[in-house]
Amino acid sequence: IVLTQSPGTLSLSPGERATLSCRASQSVSGTYLAWYQQRPGQTPRLLIYDSSTRATGIPDRFSGSGSETDFTLTISRLEPEDFAVYYCQQYGSSPLTFGGGTKVEIK
Amino acid sequence: EVQLVQSGPQVKKPGESLRISCQTSGYSFTTYWIHWLRQMPGKGLEWVGIVHPGMSSSRYSSSFRGQVTISADKSINTAYLQWNSLKASDTATYYCARRHYYYDVFEIWGQGTTVTVS
Repeated sequence: IVLTQSPGTLSLSPGERATLSCRASQSVSGTYLAWYQQRPGQTPRLLIYDSSTRATGIPDRFSGSGSETDFTLTISRLEPEDFAVYYCQQYGSSPLTFGGGTKVEIK
Repeated sequence: EVQLVQSGPQVKKPGESLRISCQTSGYSFTTYWIHWLRQMPGKGLEWVGIVHPGMSSSRYSSSFRGQVTISADKSINTAYLQWNSLKASDTATYYCARRHYYYDVFEIWGQGTTVTVS
């Protein structure tokens, strides 16, 4: 399954809302879609799995939604530490695949 | 505390062999699958494969099958990613990550091992 993330880059200010999209080339089995955050020079971190379940310790300003081929990650109010690259990943079928990433940068 | 600690950076020549490691602690090593992922310089994430230390079972992405070997030694709670003959295109950061118990997501990550082939 090919995952296409948009936009490639999102330029926003702290406090603004970020909406990131992940579109699948075919329906993702179940709601088996996860989101990861990768800050510059750091290891990726699991944010969301099962489309909308926050991983342990993830603040509630992060939320996920969607099913089948269209998924969204929303950050309700951007904090300075949220400026990073975000990847979606499907695990409904093998091989596990990632989207190309959306970079959220400071405007 | 669950930790995955990877071996240090490597600089190798084409054709050389290499094994990098992922030492785990803080949980039952034989209960959880361990994934390996690749991130080429400036690029996104790619899934390489997975090993179950308790069952000694491995699976690979078709892109990596035959190019690498994934294994685990349960006596020392360590997983491995191995190459027999490196290529310049293997230059990347490689991450190990513990699978979530129920889902094929990458719940706990190692710090990454940078491999440079030149």
